[in-house]
Amino acid sequence: GQNIDQPTEMTATEGAIVQINCTYQTSGFNGLFWYQQHAGEAPTFLSYNVLDGLEEKGRFSSFLSRSKGYSYLLLKELQMKDSASYLCAPVDSNYQLIWGAGTKLIIKP
Amino acid sequence: IAGITQAPTSQILAAGRRMTLRCTQDMRHNAMYWYRQDLGLGLRLIHYSNTAGTTGKGEVPDGYSVSRANTDDFPLTLASAVPSQTSVYFCASSDSSGGPTDTQYFGPGTRLTVL
Repeated sequence: GQNIDQPTEMTATEGAIVQINCTYQTSGFNGLFWYQQHAGEAPTFLSYNVLDGLEEKGRFSSFLSRSKGYSYLLLKELQMKDSASYLCAPVDSNYQLIWGAGTKLIIKP
Repeated sequence: IAGITQAPTSQILAAGRRMTLRCTQDMRHNAMYWYRQDLGLGLRLIHYSNTAGTTGKGEVPDGYSVSRANTDDFPLTLASAVPSQTSVYFCASSDSSGGPTDTQYFGPGTRLTVL
C-alpha cells in the first residue's frame, strides 16, 4: 500500500529553524511536492523535488532521498506567518499525488 | 486574473438532497481535480480530468460524479448527499503541458455539511 508519514504537530520559536520530515512508501515515484496550508485556506505550492539533494528557495529548502523514501522541508528565520500546516505529497507511478495528513507548525514569539 | 473560483463557499444540506459544487478556472489549464479534506486525513482525490471531455476516478469516487464539457469548468455533483460527505472540498488545476507532474493550483474550497 501507499503510506505517508509526517509528524502531526510541531512547535518552534520565531526566528529559529525547523525541519519537517516526511517518509513515504508509494507505488512508483515521480517526485515529491510540499505545500503550505494556512487554517481555513487552500494549499499553496512550496516546492517540488524529483532528484536527490537539497533545493533552496529563500527561507525554505526541501531535501529528497529517493533511496530512503525520505524528504524534509527546512524553514529558516521563522516568522509568525509561517504558522500553518505543511503537506508532503509524493507522486506515484500513475502521476497521482498521494497526500500526507500534514504537519501543523505552531510558531511562538 | 482570478485563478480558480469555487461556489458556494459553504453549504448546509439535508441528507438525500442533490448538490452541485461549481469550479471554474481562467488559467486555461488542461487538468482539473476534485479533492476532499477531512480532519486528520490527507487530501483525497475524488475525480480528475486530464483534458476537456475526459474524466477519471480517483481514490474516493463513490457518491460523486463530474463532467468536463469545456476547459474552464469542472462541476462536482452529489446525487444524494449522505452525512459522511460532510467535508471541505477543494478544486485544483494544473497545466500539464510540461509533464504530468506539473504544480496543482487550488481553489478556496467549499465547506459542505450534510445533516
